[in-house]
Amino acid sequence: DIQMTQSPASLSASLGETVTIQCQASEDIYSGLAWYQQKPGKSPQLLIYGASSLQDGVPSRFSGSGSGTQYSLKISSMQTEDEGVYFCQQGLKYPDTFGAGTKLELK
Amino acid sequence: EVKLVESGGGLVQPGRSLKLSCAASGFNFNDYWMGWVRQAPGKGLEWIGEINKDSSTINYTPSLKDKFTISRDNAQNTLYLQMSKLGSEDTAIYYCAREMVIIWDYFDYWGQGVMVTVSS
Repeated sequence: DIQMTQSPASLSASLGETVTIQCQASEDIYSGLAWYQQKPGKSPQLLIYGASSLQDGVPSRFSGSGSGTQYSLKISSMQTEDEGVYFCQQGLKYPDTFGAGTKLELK
Repeated sequence: EVKLVESGGGLVQPGRSLKLSCAASGFNFNDYWMGWVRQAPGKGLEWIGEINKDSSTINYTPSLKDKFTISRDNAQNTLYLQMSKLGSEDTAIYYCAREMVIIWDYFDYWGQGVMVTVSS
């Protein structure tokens, strides 16, 4: 199985701060990476697919980048509603695998 | 509006079986792959498996292949997850999700989830 390593496990950011979350795959996943946001008690919501494509309705302060085995999610200006847990997922090879998650809190 | 509603969860004894359902609405169910993902309490997400539009292709994560069966009824717009030989390690929230399959795949809509607790 492809292993997805996310970092950091947690972080806190101030309003307006830029936040970056990393995800490393154990092998090349050719941009087959998605990012999800999960708020407490809620189901995950898709933010980014194909490493860099923004899902409809997701604020433009979210962006994704990367290639090969290294990918990142950036929030350009932290907002209160961005608190939650962020997961990456590789969808290139079965079984799909998720990162362990990054908990983002407002400082 | 795309809506996915899971049902069938609850408390089940170890070794027993349980069948979850996921009712889909707001889109043409026949046109999409569907999948199941679970999340143990306080833990991360685990991909269970997926089924294609006409049920001719079903993929599972290897560790669950002999315990779980995914199926669908396109006439009823419903996805199913049959779980057998349940153990405490299967205690989790189970999500159904609509899957986009291109060169790679991802889940663009998720249900609210249903809790399954395996305990005597």
